[in-house]
Formats: sequence, C-alpha cells, structure tokens
Amino acid sequence: EAQVTQNPRYLITVTGKKLTVTCSQNMNHEYMSWYRQDPGLGLRQIYYSMNVEVTDKGDVPEGYKVSRKEKRNFPLILESPSPNQTSLYFCASSRLAVVGSYEQYFGPGTRLTVT
Amino acid sequence: GDSVTQMEGPVTLSEEAFLTINCTYTATGYPSLFWYVQYPGEGLQLLLKATKADDKGSNKGFEATYRKETTSFHLEKGSVQVSDSAVYFCALRTSSGSARQLTFGSGTQLTVLP
Repeated sequence: EAQVTQNPRYLITVTGKKLTVTCSQNMNHEYMSWYRQDPGLGLRQIYYSMNVEVTDKGDVPEGYKVSRKEKRNFPLILESPSPNQTSLYFCASSRLAVVGSYEQYFGPGTRLTVT
Repeated sequence: GDSVTQMEGPVTLSEEAFLTINCTYTATGYPSLFWYVQYPGEGLQLLLKATKADDKGSNKGFEATYRKETTSFHLEKGSVQVSDSAVYFCALRTSSGSARQLTFGSGTQLTVLP
C-alpha cells in the first residue's frame, strides 16, 4: 500500500528539549515536504527536498531543520522547541515534475504541543 | 506571490443540501488547481484537480471548474451527505518550474447534519 508514515502521531514536550519527527514514504518519490497547519492559516510549508541531499526552505523555516540522507526518509528536527511551534505537522511526498499536475500524498499528521 | 483565498467557515448544512465553497487565486503563469479534503484525524487527500482553463475536475459527486477569467475554482456538490463532513482546502501549483509546489488556502470546515 502506497503511504506516507509519520512518528510520533502525538507529542507533548517542554521548551528547549530537542525532538525529531520522522517521515517515511514507500513510493520512491523524489519530492518530500513538511507543512504545519494552524487554525485560520491553512498549511504553510516549512522545508522541502527535491532529492537526496537536496533541501530548501519553505515559507516558515525558522526553528526547524531537516535532512535527506535517504530517498524514503525526511525527518523534521526541532533543536530547541518553543511554544509557538505547537501545531499540527504534515509530511508529504510526490513525484517531481516541472510541468503537469500530480498528486501529493500526505502523512496522517503529528500533533505537537510545546509547553 | 501566489495566494489562494477560500470562503470563511465553518459551513453547516443539512443532508442533501447543495454545497458551494468559493475559492479564488492569484498566481503567475498558468497554475494547476486542486481541492484537498481532510477528514477528522487524518491527513489531506486529493479530492479533484484541473490543470488548464475550463477544465472541470470531479470526484465523489464534487465538481469544480477552472475559470481563468474570474481566477476561481469553486467547489460544488449537489447533495451533501453526513460523511462529507471534513475540512476542504483549495490549492494551486504554478507551472513556473518552482519546486515549492502547493500553495494552500486557509481551509473551510464543513459540517453536514442528518
């Protein structure tokens, strides 16, 4: 079954304690991305990756890091979480194409609370 | 930059009512347009899409027509069901070659009452 998995699904942590949210896809997609979803703001892109070892900032990258050492995995790292990073996070993947439309597959989400 | 504006929610309808969720966009070039749906506790799923002007996307009884003249992509369904209760997101992707891909609207919460 084609899917994007994220772990953990729920996480409560304290300010400053480093954490990693994992994301993995089994569709051999080149493109992977992280979004955060906040009420009234829709989804905003944090970071994206076009392929292994190729990452770039999205609209709201401050306070986050990513890595892409393997094609299937794209972890999101919060080195020193703060309360304003409390949000619902989604990982997504898709084929990479310059033209044409294609589907972006989303993971189930990780709800993070930073106290 | 690119942007998507959706009608404010929440929207509450009775079963079998007609649904319209408005979506307008601003983009350079010729974007592809999408509607995604998010059911409670789940990630987003592609509902329908349209890649050029006058295209109509349809799926599960939902339809949306790409109107370049009004820069709109309104979502419609003739008779909603309780199971359609979800958050609906309009999104676009420009054809300019940017790898940043989807730009989302803020989402519209739909609740359908029996």
